[in-house]
Amino acid sequence: KQEVTQIPAALSVPEGENLVLNCSFTDSAIYNLQWFRQDPGKGLTSLLLIQSSQREQTSGRLNASLDKSSGRSTLYIAASQPGDSATYLCAVTNNAGKSTFGDGTTLTVKP
Amino acid sequence: DTAVSQTPKYLVTQMGNDKSIKCEQNLGHDTMYWYKQDSKKFLKIMFSYNNKELIINETVPNRFSPKSPDKAHLNLHINSLELGDSAVYFCASSQVRGSSEKLFFGSGTQLSVL
Repeated sequence: KQEVTQIPAALSVPEGENLVLNCSFTDSAIYNLQWFRQDPGKGLTSLLLIQSSQREQTSGRLNASLDKSSGRSTLYIAASQPGDSATYLCAVTNNAGKSTFGDGTTLTVKP
Repeated sequence: DTAVSQTPKYLVTQMGNDKSIKCEQNLGHDTMYWYKQDSKKFLKIMFSYNNKELIINETVPNRFSPKSPDKAHLNLHINSLELGDSAVYFCASSQVRGSSEKLFFGSGTQLSVL
Protein backbone atom coordinates (compact mmCIF):
# COMPACT_ATOMS: atom_id res chain seq x y z
CA LYS A 1 0.00 0.00 0.00
CA GLN A 2 1.41 3.35 -1.05
CA GLU A 3 2.08 5.86 1.71
CA VAL A 4 3.05 9.46 1.06
CA THR A 5 4.64 11.65 3.70
CA GLN A 6 5.35 15.36 3.50
CA ILE A 7 7.80 17.20 5.68
CA PRO A 8 7.53 19.71 7.22
CA ALA A 9 3.83 19.92 8.05
CA ALA A 10 4.10 23.69 8.28
CA LEU A 11 6.71 26.21 7.26
CA SER A 12 6.94 29.95 7.82
CA VAL A 13 9.53 32.03 5.98
CA PRO A 14 10.18 35.72 5.31
CA GLU A 15 9.50 37.02 1.84
CA GLY A 16 12.34 36.50 -0.62
CA GLU A 17 13.70 33.29 0.84
CA ASN A 18 14.23 30.16 -1.20
CA LEU A 19 12.66 27.06 0.30
CA VAL A 20 12.30 23.33 -0.20
CA LEU A 21 9.31 21.13 0.50
CA ASN A 22 9.81 17.40 0.80
CA CYS A 23 7.70 14.45 -0.22
CA SER A 24 8.52 10.78 0.27
CA PHE A 25 6.67 7.68 -0.87
CA THR A 26 7.00 4.02 0.01
CA ASP A 27 6.30 2.28 -3.31
CA SER A 28 8.62 3.35 -6.12
CA ALA A 29 6.42 1.77 -8.84
CA ILE A 30 4.78 5.04 -9.75
CA TYR A 31 3.33 6.37 -12.99
CA ASN A 32 3.82 10.03 -12.20
CA LEU A 33 4.10 12.47 -9.31
CA GLN A 34 2.29 15.78 -9.07
CA TRP A 35 2.64 18.79 -6.85
CA PHE A 36 -0.52 20.74 -6.08
CA ARG A 37 -1.37 23.97 -4.37
CA GLN A 38 -4.50 24.37 -2.26
CA ASP A 39 -5.70 27.75 -1.01
CA PRO A 40 -8.07 27.85 1.98
CA GLY A 41 -11.60 26.86 0.98
CA LYS A 42 -10.53 26.15 -2.58
CA GLY A 43 -9.82 23.18 -4.78
CA LEU A 44 -6.40 21.93 -5.78
CA THR A 45 -4.37 23.43 -8.60
CA SER A 46 -1.77 21.29 -10.30
CA LEU A 47 1.63 23.00 -10.28
CA LEU A 48 3.99 20.46 -11.76
CA LEU A 49 3.76 16.90 -12.99
CA ILE A 50 6.84 14.69 -13.24
CA GLN A 51 6.59 11.54 -15.30
CA SER A 52 8.15 8.41 -13.84
CA SER A 53 10.93 8.58 -16.45
CA GLN A 54 11.82 12.20 -15.64
CA ARG A 55 13.98 13.63 -12.90
CA GLU A 56 12.70 17.18 -12.71
CA GLN A 57 10.26 19.75 -14.00
CA THR A 58 10.39 23.54 -13.86
CA SER A 59 7.75 26.21 -14.07
CA GLY A 60 8.70 29.78 -13.31
CA ARG A 61 10.03 29.98 -9.75
CA LEU A 62 9.11 26.36 -9.08
CA ASN A 63 11.30 23.33 -9.60
CA ALA A 64 10.28 19.81 -8.70
CA SER A 65 12.66 16.88 -8.62
CA LEU A 66 11.99 13.16 -8.51
CA ASP A 67 14.24 10.36 -7.29
CA LYS A 68 12.15 7.26 -7.82
CA SER A 69 14.68 4.80 -6.45
CA SER A 70 14.82 6.54 -3.07
CA GLY A 71 11.12 7.40 -3.10
CA ARG A 72 11.60 11.14 -2.81
CA SER A 73 10.53 14.35 -4.44
CA THR A 74 11.27 17.95 -3.59
CA LEU A 75 9.54 21.16 -4.55
CA TYR A 76 11.87 24.12 -4.64
CA ILE A 77 10.36 27.61 -4.53
CA ALA A 78 12.70 30.45 -5.37
CA ALA A 79 12.33 34.01 -4.11
CA SER A 80 9.17 33.27 -2.15
CA GLN A 81 6.32 35.81 -2.13
CA PRO A 82 3.35 36.29 0.22
CA GLY A 83 1.13 35.06 -2.61
CA ASP A 84 2.85 31.68 -2.38
CA SER A 85 1.20 31.13 1.00
CA ALA A 86 -0.95 28.01 0.66
CA THR A 87 -0.93 24.30 1.38
CA TYR A 88 1.23 22.27 -0.99
CA LEU A 89 0.38 18.64 -1.59
CA CYS A 90 2.21 15.97 -3.47
CA ALA A 91 0.45 13.00 -5.02
CA VAL A 92 1.86 9.84 -6.56
CA THR A 93 -0.17 7.98 -9.16
CA ASN A 94 0.25 4.29 -9.91
CA ASN A 95 -0.30 2.45 -13.20
CA ALA A 96 -3.93 1.82 -12.32
CA GLY A 97 -4.56 5.55 -12.16
CA LYS A 98 -4.93 5.70 -8.40
CA SER A 99 -3.42 8.79 -6.79
CA THR A 100 -2.27 8.82 -3.19
CA PHE A 101 -1.85 12.20 -1.55
CA GLY A 102 0.41 13.36 1.23
CA ASP A 103 -0.93 15.38 4.15
CA GLY A 104 0.47 18.59 2.76
CA THR A 105 2.82 21.33 3.90
CA THR A 106 1.22 24.61 4.91
CA LEU A 107 3.47 27.45 3.80
CA THR A 108 3.28 30.98 5.14
CA VAL A 109 5.41 33.65 3.51
CA LYS A 110 5.60 36.77 5.66
CA PRO A 111 5.95 40.19 4.02
CA ASP B 1 -15.28 28.53 -18.62
CA THR B 2 -14.79 26.45 -15.48
CA ALA B 3 -13.00 23.22 -16.37
CA VAL B 4 -14.39 21.05 -13.55
CA SER B 5 -17.51 22.36 -11.88
CA GLN B 6 -19.38 20.82 -9.00
CA THR B 7 -22.59 21.80 -7.27
CA PRO B 8 -23.58 22.67 -4.69
CA LYS B 9 -20.63 24.42 -3.06
CA TYR B 10 -22.16 24.02 0.39
CA LEU B 11 -24.56 21.36 1.59
CA VAL B 12 -26.00 21.33 5.11
CA THR B 13 -28.37 18.53 5.95
CA GLN B 14 -29.72 16.34 8.73
CA MET B 15 -28.53 12.86 9.58
CA GLY B 16 -30.42 10.18 7.72
CA ASN B 17 -31.18 12.28 4.64
CA ASP B 18 -30.20 11.42 1.09
CA LYS B 19 -28.28 13.98 -0.95
CA SER B 20 -26.51 14.30 -4.30
CA ILE B 21 -23.51 16.25 -5.52
CA LYS B 22 -23.11 16.89 -9.22
CA CYS B 23 -19.91 17.21 -11.23
CA GLU B 24 -19.26 18.15 -14.81
CA GLN B 25 -16.02 18.60 -16.76
CA ASN B 26 -15.64 20.33 -20.11
CA LEU B 27 -12.05 19.27 -20.74
CA GLY B 28 -12.89 16.23 -22.84
CA HIS B 29 -11.20 13.97 -20.28
CA ASP B 30 -11.92 10.26 -20.15
CA THR B 31 -11.52 9.77 -16.41
CA MET B 32 -13.31 11.36 -13.48
CA TYR B 33 -12.84 10.95 -9.74
CA TRP B 34 -14.37 11.69 -6.39
CA TYR B 35 -12.10 12.54 -3.47
CA LYS B 36 -12.93 13.15 0.17
CA GLN B 37 -10.97 15.63 2.28
CA ASP B 38 -11.57 15.23 5.98
CA SER B 39 -11.22 17.76 8.79
CA LYS B 40 -7.50 17.04 9.02
CA LYS B 41 -7.19 17.98 5.36
CA PHE B 42 -6.23 14.46 4.35
CA LEU B 43 -7.32 13.85 0.75
CA LYS B 44 -8.37 10.33 -0.17
CA ILE B 45 -9.71 8.88 -3.40
CA MET B 46 -13.20 7.38 -3.29
CA PHE B 47 -14.07 6.46 -6.86
CA SER B 48 -12.67 6.64 -10.36
CA TYR B 49 -14.65 6.27 -13.58
CA ASN B 50 -13.21 5.88 -17.05
CA ASN B 51 -15.65 6.50 -19.88
CA LYS B 52 -18.64 5.81 -17.61
CA GLU B 53 -17.10 2.61 -16.26
CA LEU B 54 -16.12 2.17 -12.60
CA ILE B 55 -12.36 1.67 -12.29
CA ILE B 56 -11.53 2.37 -8.66
CA ASN B 57 -13.74 1.88 -5.61
CA GLU B 58 -11.79 2.46 -2.44
CA THR B 59 -13.93 0.44 -0.01
CA VAL B 60 -16.41 3.24 0.27
CA PRO B 61 -19.66 2.33 2.10
CA ASN B 62 -22.56 1.23 -0.09
CA ARG B 63 -24.41 4.37 0.97
CA PHE B 64 -22.22 6.20 -1.54
CA SER B 65 -23.23 5.55 -5.14
CA PRO B 66 -21.53 7.33 -8.01
CA LYS B 67 -23.37 7.66 -11.30
CA SER B 68 -21.83 8.59 -14.63
CA PRO B 69 -24.46 9.26 -17.31
CA ASP B 70 -21.71 10.20 -19.77
CA LYS B 71 -17.98 10.73 -19.60
CA ALA B 72 -18.38 14.44 -18.86
CA HIS B 73 -20.46 13.89 -15.74
CA LEU B 74 -19.89 12.02 -12.49
CA ASN B 75 -22.47 12.54 -9.79
CA LEU B 76 -22.27 11.32 -6.22
CA HIS B 77 -25.37 10.21 -4.36
CA ILE B 78 -25.22 9.57 -0.63
CA ASN B 79 -27.96 7.70 1.22
CA SER B 80 -28.69 7.81 4.94
CA LEU B 81 -26.14 10.49 5.72
CA GLU B 82 -24.10 10.09 8.89
CA LEU B 83 -22.19 12.60 11.01
CA GLY B 84 -18.90 11.10 9.82
CA ASP B 85 -19.75 11.96 6.23
CA SER B 86 -19.10 15.62 6.98
CA ALA B 87 -16.13 16.61 4.82
CA VAL B 88 -15.23 18.44 1.65
CA TYR B 89 -15.83 16.35 -1.46
CA PHE B 90 -13.80 17.11 -4.55
CA CYS B 91 -14.48 16.02 -8.09
CA ALA B 92 -11.53 15.75 -10.47
CA SER B 93 -10.77 14.65 -14.01
CA SER B 94 -7.79 13.64 -16.10
CA GLN B 95 -6.93 12.22 -19.49
CA VAL B 96 -6.66 8.48 -19.10
CA ARG B 97 -3.49 7.67 -20.91
CA GLY B 98 -0.21 9.40 -21.44
CA SER B 99 1.92 9.86 -18.38
CA SER B 100 1.68 13.62 -18.81
CA GLU B 101 -1.91 13.52 -17.52
CA LYS B 102 -2.69 16.08 -14.84
CA LEU B 103 -5.50 16.00 -12.34
CA PHE B 104 -7.88 18.93 -12.57
CA PHE B 105 -10.01 19.55 -9.50
CA GLY B 106 -13.33 21.20 -8.89
CA SER B 107 -13.63 23.76 -6.12
CA GLY B 108 -15.19 21.30 -3.69
CA THR B 109 -18.51 20.72 -1.94
CA GLN B 110 -18.48 21.24 1.80
CA LEU B 111 -20.93 18.77 3.29
CA SER B 112 -22.08 19.31 6.87
CA VAL B 113 -24.25 16.63 8.44
CA LEU B 114 -26.04 17.79 11.60
